[in-house]
Amino acid sequence: GQSLEQPSEVTAVEGAIVQINCTYQTSGFYGLSWYQQHDGGAPTFLSYNALDGLEETGRFSSFLSRSDSYGYLLLQELQMKDSASYFCAVGGTYKYIFGTGTRLKVLA
Amino acid sequence: NAGVTQTPKFQVLKTGQSMTLQCAQDMNHNSMYWYRQDPGMGLRLIYYSASEGTTDKGEVPNGYNVSRLNKREFSLRLESAAPSQTSVYFCASSLTSGSADTQYFGPGTRLTVL
Repeated sequence: GQSLEQPSEVTAVEGAIVQINCTYQTSGFYGLSWYQQHDGGAPTFLSYNALDGLEETGRFSSFLSRSDSYGYLLLQELQMKDSASYFCAVGGTYKYIFGTGTRLKVLA
Repeated sequence: NAGVTQTPKFQVLKTGQSMTLQCAQDMNHNSMYWYRQDPGMGLRLIYYSASEGTTDKGEVPNGYNVSRLNKREFSLRLESAAPSQTSVYFCASSLTSGSADTQYFGPGTRLTVL
């Protein structure tokens, strides 16, 4: 089957760095994506990794290791507005399979 | 550009009633999707349409039907609503059905079935 695992909740203080991990199991892997969702809002795309290594987009970076079936999202210089849920997703038999999400709480 | 729009935003149904959720996109995307989101369960794919004229089942299709009316519109129908279908429903679209393509989500429909 296909599954993704990510921590349910992470807490960090403003200005800090936080890493959200995602491990996946899938029969066909096309890439790992990350989405952000604020409470009551819609998911919005953050990043995509098809190959091993680090992708950087401003304060956010995403890493993939295909051999370890593992990736992470790194958020730097945390701001209050980063408080949200973060979902990893992989391409699979049913297109995207989403993880259950990590709720990030940023404290002042 | 409105992106992806969904109607209605909120709906309350009684068990056994039927309804259609509407979705439209103005980005000229080929692929469209319907997801449901339940607390603690992430997003689960109900149906998708890789291109105009095609539809396929996702992970949780039971109790739902879809219609890809044209390139812009993709509707989701509940023929006989059940309390287990209480959820938030999101429509999404992407340029193609490839996993590398960003999916753009609508604002969601919050459905309660009593």
